[in-house]
Amino acid sequence: GAGVSQSPSNKVTEKGKDVELRCDPISGHTALYWYRQSLGQGLEFLIYFQGNSAPDKSGLPSDRFSAERTGGSVSTLTIQRTQQEDSAVYLCASSQRQGGNSPLHFGNGTRLTVT
Amino acid sequence: AQRVTQPEKLLSVFKGAPVELKCNYSYSGSPELFWYVQYSRQRLQLLLRHISRESIKGFTADLNKGETSFHLKKPFAQEEDSAMYYCALRGGSGNTGKLIFGQGTTLQVKP
Repeated sequence: GAGVSQSPSNKVTEKGKDVELRCDPISGHTALYWYRQSLGQGLEFLIYFQGNSAPDKSGLPSDRFSAERTGGSVSTLTIQRTQQEDSAVYLCASSQRQGGNSPLHFGNGTRLTVT
Repeated sequence: AQRVTQPEKLLSVFKGAPVELKCNYSYSGSPELFWYVQYSRQRLQLLLRHISRESIKGFTADLNKGETSFHLKKPFAQEEDSAMYYCALRGGSGNTGKLIFGQGTTLQVKP
């Protein structure tokens, strides 16, 4: 079937505005990740959802960032009161099952630019 | 705490030369180690995983627990190997935890 889908592919917003980024994982994948990719920072872990367990939010950089996953499928990453340092590519990934060697399947990302 | 270190931001070699992309990790338990690759204008994708002990596109990586390393090697680089490479670690009980990536190394293979 289709791979991980992210929308929008590009988002330009003004400093101080809120943004929502969407991720549609591969059907049946129980694990879902959000990462931030920026120059010089590599791939920074943000949040991890695994089935019905409480999400691992340890990577969220501030309380302006939040994410939810509804019905164990679609996820939304919300950034409130955006700052210029939030500009980056936000990547979503899903994997088939809990742990083990399940590879991550990545989306194409959302490129966020905060002006 | 889990940590992955890739000391080189950029590695530039000539076609046919050997390649070694370095990866060191910090984790108190037995981790799962992976290499992911992102070619130009493509999605990030899995290249190989240590537990499979496989060779993909001529690349191999051996987990060295004594040195806490998982370096990626290829004896003869090809131009199509040019890409961004990320080393990744998964820890946690039963290895069900999050996947942490290093900062990435850009491999540039010159003709």
